[in-house]
Amino acid sequence: EPEVTQTPSHQVTQMGQEVILRCVPISNHLYFYWYRQILGQKVEFLVSFYNNEISEKSEIFDDQFSVERPDGSNFTLKIRSTKLEDSAMYFCASSEAQNGIYFYNEQFFGPGTRLTVL
Amino acid sequence: AQSVTQLGSHVSVSEGALVLLRCNYSSSVPPYLFWYVQYPNQGLQLLLKYTSAATLVKGINGFEAEFKKSETSFHLTKPSAHMSDAAEYFCAVSESASKIIFGSGTRLSIRP
Repeated sequence: EPEVTQTPSHQVTQMGQEVILRCVPISNHLYFYWYRQILGQKVEFLVSFYNNEISEKSEIFDDQFSVERPDGSNFTLKIRSTKLEDSAMYFCASSEAQNGIYFYNEQFFGPGTRLTVL
Repeated sequence: AQSVTQLGSHVSVSEGALVLLRCNYSSSVPPYLFWYVQYPNQGLQLLLKYTSAATLVKGINGFEAEFKKSETSFHLTKPSAHMSDAAEYFCAVSESASKIIFGSGTRLSIRP
């Protein structure tokens, strides 16, 4: 069964360093998403991406964050200068299409990357 | 704006007892509703989803949820709890857009 994969499973970095989290969405999917979950808190939407551009982003997704689809298979989240508060689990998801009023398209989540900023 | 409220951050039941996890939503259009489960140190697994078909939705592991528009609720139930059900459960909502909005989660503990 196709699945979303994420690498690495755990990333440790120093404050101020740049990190890139990688995701391989399901191959025929066109919409890609990043969510994060700070330890003990709820899962929060960060950004959605379609046709090589951001389609929606939350207020969390500030100028320190960027997303890219560098080739036909990977989808990356870059944090330019990490802060302590960026420590969280980051989930990638993908779907075939967007939801419509009368039709639903399931988002499939990856296993997550745990980012620890020291 | 869409939102989800989960009543009770922690629920504890005895093995074999009824599980009831409460969720109320707010949405300006007919929503899509979900329950996800997260086991310790793992990712999100979709338990079940409501996508405007039957109001009683059956999911994996014996869970089900009922969509009640008049009460704006989507409570999750399981007739008989098993030790393996111990996990964090998230209710979530999505409108005719991409993003999923998650509730704050309910940690389910099962007493032997």
